[in-house]
Amino acid sequence: QKEVEQNSGPLSVPEGAIASLNCTYSDRGSQSFFWYRQYSGKSPELIMSIYSNGDKEDGRFTAQLNKASQYVSLLIRDSQPSDSATYLCAVNIGGNNDMRFGAGTRLTVKP
Amino acid sequence: GAVVSQHPSWVICKSGTSVKIECRSLDFQATTMFWYRQFPKQSLMLMATSNEGSKATYEQGVEKDKFLINHASLTLSTLTVTSAHPEDSSFYICSARSLGKGEGSPLHFGNGTRLTVT
Repeated sequence: QKEVEQNSGPLSVPEGAIASLNCTYSDRGSQSFFWYRQYSGKSPELIMSIYSNGDKEDGRFTAQLNKASQYVSLLIRDSQPSDSATYLCAVNIGGNNDMRFGAGTRLTVKP
Repeated sequence: GAVVSQHPSWVICKSGTSVKIECRSLDFQATTMFWYRQFPKQSLMLMATSNEGSKATYEQGVEKDKFLINHASLTLSTLTVTSAHPEDSSFYICSARSLGKGEGSPLHFGNGTRLTVT
């Protein structure tokens, strides 16, 4: 089992819709979770971090964490074509200082 | 804050030559920096963890003699790809987190270096 798993997509949603991106992780001891956005040919940029169970909202983005289910998700409301990118789920593996990334989900928002 | 600068942004070199990539934390200190490699349409793969003042820790399958890492100060880590070959062509990205901030803090990424070996 991979440490961090995401559906590779591509996920396609119409402009204005809600995009839902999902991620599962294997290490129950993990406490820190992050979503990064990566445009083609660019390096990842941090969108959200979440540490506690529940929802965390920041503008059009909402991160959801369920540690019991080892599941973290990212919702993008009112999706825009500029949101088209690969979204990477990242998890700090419990007890280690490094971060493990999922394979990423490619999102396309169609005008 | 938390800016990571990576240089060069792209480089083309001939097979057999060596290439050095620099990663600097501009407004914070970092005892640990991380080097990733990303092939087209694939995920980030951690290559090694660079530790200030000590040897780097390499991931399984990454040749330490080929990918030399030096972390001489709290703001600079370098990755040297020695005797580069076409299969080393990739997107190399460094990252760091602020000194004193443990695993709860996010990584900040440099802009990456696209290496093409001809």
